[in-house]
Amino acid sequence: AQSVTQLGSHVSVSEGALVLLRCNYSSSVPPYLFWYVQYPNQGLQLLLKYTSAATLVKGINGFEAEFKKSETSFHLTKPSAHMSDAAEYFCAVGTHTGTASKLTFGTGTRLQVTL
Amino acid sequence: ETGVTQSPTHLIKTRGQQVTLRCSSQSGHNTVSWYQQALGQGPQFIFQYYREEENGRGNFPPRFSGLQFPNYSSELNVNALELDDSALYLCASSLYALAAPSYNEQFFGPGTRLTVL
Repeated sequence: AQSVTQLGSHVSVSEGALVLLRCNYSSSVPPYLFWYVQYPNQGLQLLLKYTSAATLVKGINGFEAEFKKSETSFHLTKPSAHMSDAAEYFCAVGTHTGTASKLTFGTGTRLQVTL
Repeated sequence: ETGVTQSPTHLIKTRGQQVTLRCSSQSGHNTVSWYQQALGQGPQFIFQYYREEENGRGNFPPRFSGLQFPNYSSELNVNALELDDSALYLCASSLYALAAPSYNEQFFGPGTRLTVL
């Protein structure tokens, strides 16, 4: 079975500081890994995805994540936080069986950006 | 290219009632998935439909059911509503390609906020 653990339900950073959101996964097969962002009262927007190509994945809005198999991690980073980055972030593992695909999400990390 | 749309945006029901939520797939997609996101939680997979049949299901009781139509749009039906059914319901569409089966990237709609009183 696949699972995702996000360490830290709330993270607060100053504007301009490094953003680091942690994600560890458990998967019995090579994983497809995703980071989604959710702004208040909105759906999910894909930030970036890992699908067994390059281990360092670049996404939208300056975010990137590195797949580390030895650590079963897929942490999300951004060098310099902006006020507009304040949102809920979800790490997810994607799996497929036959014709069915599904995402298993972590519980999310709320990012607060302060002046 | 039209993205995933859902209706209604908000809905209020009372315990014991039944509700139907609707989803239109992104253009060119043939598979629809539904997720439930309770307040403060990550989305939980309810089920997926492909070729108008359910082809995957999460840990949800049978009172959660769905349909997929020939135009790939979908409905989520919930019977005998309970207070714990209050959540944001997200629909996601994807394209399953027989020639290259793999994980199919899912594209999410804005969700329907269901409140059960």
